[in-house]
Amino acid sequence: ETGVTQSPTHLIKTRGQQVTLRCSSQSGHNTVSWYQQALGQGPQFIFQYYREEENGRGNFPPRFSGLQFPNYSSELNVNALELDDSALYLCASSETGGGTKNIQYFGAGTRLSVL
Amino acid sequence: GQNIDQPTEMTATEGAIVQINCTYQTSGFNGLFWYQQHAGEAPTFLSYNVLDGLEEKGRFSSFLSRSKGYSYLLLKELQMKDSASYLCAGLPAGNKLTFGGGTRVLVKP
Repeated sequence: ETGVTQSPTHLIKTRGQQVTLRCSSQSGHNTVSWYQQALGQGPQFIFQYYREEENGRGNFPPRFSGLQFPNYSSELNVNALELDDSALYLCASSETGGGTKNIQYFGAGTRLSVL
Repeated sequence: GQNIDQPTEMTATEGAIVQINCTYQTSGFNGLFWYQQHAGEAPTFLSYNVLDGLEEKGRFSSFLSRSKGYSYLLLKELQMKDSASYLCAGLPAGNKLTFGGGTRVLVKP
């Protein structure tokens, strides 16, 4: 059973550019959630995907968008990058349903630096 | 929504016990999670409480009181490798975790 994998591990971009981050969910998981974690803070929910549809969104502007593919992998796209977008971007996968199916398992993250 | 509050930092000695408290707003509650996160790494799942009471898992235990909006994570027989941030997260409606700011635990020899 493979865990959650994210790519790339590190990325450097300049202000105004666009970036795409990728995530492969854990085997058997059909739900992917994306989080932004600034240094020294807890992760902040960006959005969640289930069955290729957005299933809830946090307080992030529309320039943050995503996709989920039929194999449940997912992408996070950020347009018009700003300096404050510099953070660790975490992807988490889970099953659907109650109880322990709610447990989200995280990938190692992508460290994005915007200069 | 849910505000998750936990202390910023705690220090303890190797072999000792540390208790990390977490409070949350009780509206729309569907469970309380604890994750461990070493610097620069992914959060790793520690525990999930949905009913009141204590859940024990080796050296780590987690407690939940839904009526009080309160949880704690208890780390026993502290080891140097336990130095990390510990994240408390609530699960409101849906499957979207709301995290606190994390508690950085420093274990000293």
